[in-house]
Amino acid sequence: GQQLNQSPQSMFIQEGEDVSMNCTSSSIFNTWLWYKQDPGEGPVLLIALYKAGELTSNGRLTAQFGITRKDSFLNISASIPSDVGIYFCAGGAYNTDKLIFGTGTRLQVFP
Amino acid sequence: KAGVTQTPRYLIKTRGQQVTLSCSPISGHRSVSWYQQTPGQGLQFLFEYFSETQRNKGNFPGRFSGRQFSNSRSEMNVSTLELGDSALYLCASSRTEGLAQYFGPGTRLLVL
Repeated sequence: GQQLNQSPQSMFIQEGEDVSMNCTSSSIFNTWLWYKQDPGEGPVLLIALYKAGELTSNGRLTAQFGITRKDSFLNISASIPSDVGIYFCAGGAYNTDKLIFGTGTRLQVFP
Repeated sequence: KAGVTQTPRYLIKTRGQQVTLSCSPISGHRSVSWYQQTPGQGLQFLFEYFSETQRNKGNFPGRFSGRQFSNSRSEMNVSTLELGDSALYLCASSRTEGLAQYFGPGTRLLVL
């Protein structure tokens, strides 16, 4: 199935460090979403982006909708242990509710 | 506002059986989408329903089907189960197309 290119695949960082991950596509999207998933649970929506160039924050999280509509990035500042999990990007195509998901970034935070 | 709920949370079936999963969307949300999540394939779109009509469909065989009721609740059915159908099945709802989707906790299906 189709998936977006998400990098890095995994990250091991120390508590307090900043984190950056991104998602790229060969297709244009009109919606970019970022989710966090804990083991055995459904993805939880972190940030939704609807306009090219849009920069949106949610607490320590900041995400941007790339100007070309083909990419997006997520930054987490001053990481804490509860940030541990898998982060997914998802792109929404025009006139559809079908989401294409990235391959995920597994984040580990060490105290 | 209550989130998306899915039942059952866990299910064990044997090959050849069929299974029905249920999803109740967030109140006021009319669009319900279903996804399959496996370690090898990641999150894959199955289908989406809006106002009891299937609007979009992913690349899954006809053994996977769904429906939506007038109260927006949705069910997904898989017939003639195969070992490869073992996965976490996720339901997501949104108010309308193009807006953020909110996921339920999923149903973990194990096919033996």
